[in-house]
Amino acid sequence: GAVVSQHPSRVICKSGTSVKIECRSLDFQATTMFWYRQFPKKSLMLMATSNEGSKATYEQGVEKDKFLINHASLTLSTLTVTSAHPEDSSFYICSARELGRRDQPQHFGDGTRLSIL
Amino acid sequence: EDQVTQSPEALRLQEGESSSLNCSYTVSGLRGLFWYRQDPGKGPEFLFTLYSAGEEKEKERLKATLTKKESFLHITAPKPEDSATYLCAVDQGAQKLVFGQGTRLTINP
Repeated sequence: GAVVSQHPSRVICKSGTSVKIECRSLDFQATTMFWYRQFPKKSLMLMATSNEGSKATYEQGVEKDKFLINHASLTLSTLTVTSAHPEDSSFYICSARELGRRDQPQHFGDGTRLSIL
Repeated sequence: EDQVTQSPEALRLQEGESSSLNCSYTVSGLRGLFWYRQDPGKGPEFLFTLYSAGEEKEKERLKATLTKKESFLHITAPKPEDSATYLCAVDQGAQKLVFGQGTRLTINP
């Protein structure tokens, strides 16, 4: 089945550091990937839609200069949290659906736990 | 604005004790309702997609049903390994999903 891989699974770093998270579709291609944020015991909140070869679309209230998204190929999207601060600590999850397969659901990565000290 | 509300927030059952989880939704034109399972520290794992009222889908001990306003996830004779958070989401267009808060299900042996 469709597999989405996220890396790293956990990051602990100092305040002010920029952190890059990768999301790969391992056995399918995706022109669109999605980035979510999840707080403890809360649901997933969509942050942005990552579009291959074009600019990402951000949800209301999400700072595009803080959360940089690059979707350089049909199998890779990256989320960079720039100058991260403790309030950026969270669980970040990506998802993707196979190109041209409207009958298929979105598949999710296993998330990245980001902790900013 | 599309909204998804799940209840209960948490549910504890004994092994073998059947029950149902509820997902109420308001959406301007349903393009799909999804059920996912999420284990602690992991991403959501796809379970079911429902598109129209009256539709039902089953997988092992789980059965999902859909009406015009809500969906139910029925769990029959659950086992401890069914313990997880169950998430409901609706497609609000352009593949964008709106999630409910989830139901944390615990099955005691």
